[in-house]
Amino acid sequence: AQKITQTQPGMFVQEKEAVTLDCTYDTSDPSYGLFWYKQPSSGEMIFLIYQGSYDQQNATEGRYSLNFQKARKSANLVISASQLGDSAMYFCAMREGQGGGFKTIFGAGTRLFVKA
Amino acid sequence: DAGVIQSPRHEVTEMGQEVTLRCKPISGHNSLFWYRQTMMRGLELLIYFNNNVPIDDSGMPEDRFSAKMPNASFSTLKIQPSEPRDSAVYFCASSFPLGNEQFFGPGTRLTVL
Repeated sequence: AQKITQTQPGMFVQEKEAVTLDCTYDTSDPSYGLFWYKQPSSGEMIFLIYQGSYDQQNATEGRYSLNFQKARKSANLVISASQLGDSAMYFCAMREGQGGGFKTIFGAGTRLFVKA
Repeated sequence: DAGVIQSPRHEVTEMGQEVTLRCKPISGHNSLFWYRQTMMRGLELLIYFNNNVPIDDSGMPEDRFSAKMPNASFSTLKIQPSEPRDSAVYFCASSFPLGNEQFFGPGTRLTVL
């Protein structure tokens, strides 16, 4: 069965520093996708980054990068040069299968606080 | 593109009443997902559809919950009768068949008194 674990309920980071948000997953399917979403206090869910299980390179999107360690079943999000606007809830998610039409489960989330 | 549209944005109702939440996915998306978010349980997948067909409804909490997708541009989530523990934010999301990202709607905040 699918499982996503985020062990950090809350994290603090100083503005302009980098921060890593942890995510581990469990699946028996060799084909899966991993996602990170951001949820600011306004409530919307914002897609940040995607990593496919067969992707050889770690995904990057601007200041976001996904540290994909397949053997360890981890998919940590790295935010470089943190900004005050990065303060939000961050969710890791996993989908078994390739393509949009598959079940997706979300972790419990990590709340990030960026300090000025 | 307008994005995923949900209505109403806020709903306050009394216990025992029927509640209907609505979702219009992004045009061209053929997968639609309904999620519920609460402080206690986080973000839970309730049901999802591919090409208007329900694929997995194992997350639907009880028979009081039902969802339909009569066509590619509309879906409803109905709670009948509603209970205070149904109070939550309900999100609808859609995606392309070969896409990766799910696009979320703004959510409906439901309060059952």
